[in-house]
Amino acid sequence: DADVTQTPRNRITKTGKRIMLECSQTKGHDRMYWYRQDPGLGLRLIYYSFDVKDINKGEISDGYSVSRQAQAKFSLSLESAIPNQTALYFCATSGRPGTGNTGELFFGEGSRLTVL
Amino acid sequence: GQNIDQPTEMTATEGAIVQINCTYQTSGFNGLFWYQQHAGEAPTFLSYNVLDGLEEKGRFSSFLSRSKGYSYLLLKELQMKDSASYLCAALQAGTALIFGKGTTLSVSS
Repeated sequence: DADVTQTPRNRITKTGKRIMLECSQTKGHDRMYWYRQDPGLGLRLIYYSFDVKDINKGEISDGYSVSRQAQAKFSLSLESAIPNQTALYFCATSGRPGTGNTGELFFGEGSRLTVL
Repeated sequence: GQNIDQPTEMTATEGAIVQINCTYQTSGFNGLFWYQQHAGEAPTFLSYNVLDGLEEKGRFSSFLSRSKGYSYLLLKELQMKDSASYLCAALQAGTALIFGKGTTLSVSS
């Protein structure tokens, strides 16, 4: 089984719908992240969380919200999806740098979202 | 804020050596990472540098100069399977990894 699991893997939805992407991990990491990837734009950070009570905005948080339900779970919501949120979304985890970890990210397999 | 620049595309032939450069500007620098990403797949970790110098790992090596804000990824003995995107990412202390836009490498026979 994958260490970082994302659901759903693929989703097609309509403008205005609420969408939740879920991420769970078995690596025991405190830190979790959501990125989106668009062709030619690389990976852009949406939100990140360093522990259950910590939530931080990334580069492109507008239109998104997150919930850290437990150490192992971090979900991303689009309250009212719009077509320019069509992208490949990645969840990732990491240990805290300096505690035997480099801060290397471990990625889920991605969730491809299409908003019509 | 952070700014990371790397070339958009590169091409090379099987058996050759290719160097992918990356420049970064960040405060509180805490490490430079390289990832490989095949189309439609998740990125996979290649290398990490936090001190100046060269880190070698098989056919792949990565170099860092902190004073110049510069890194490169060196791929030797290129194989067709090395055709992929290569992502440079910098870690700023207390925040998350920020990625460049990636370099798409095409290896031809």
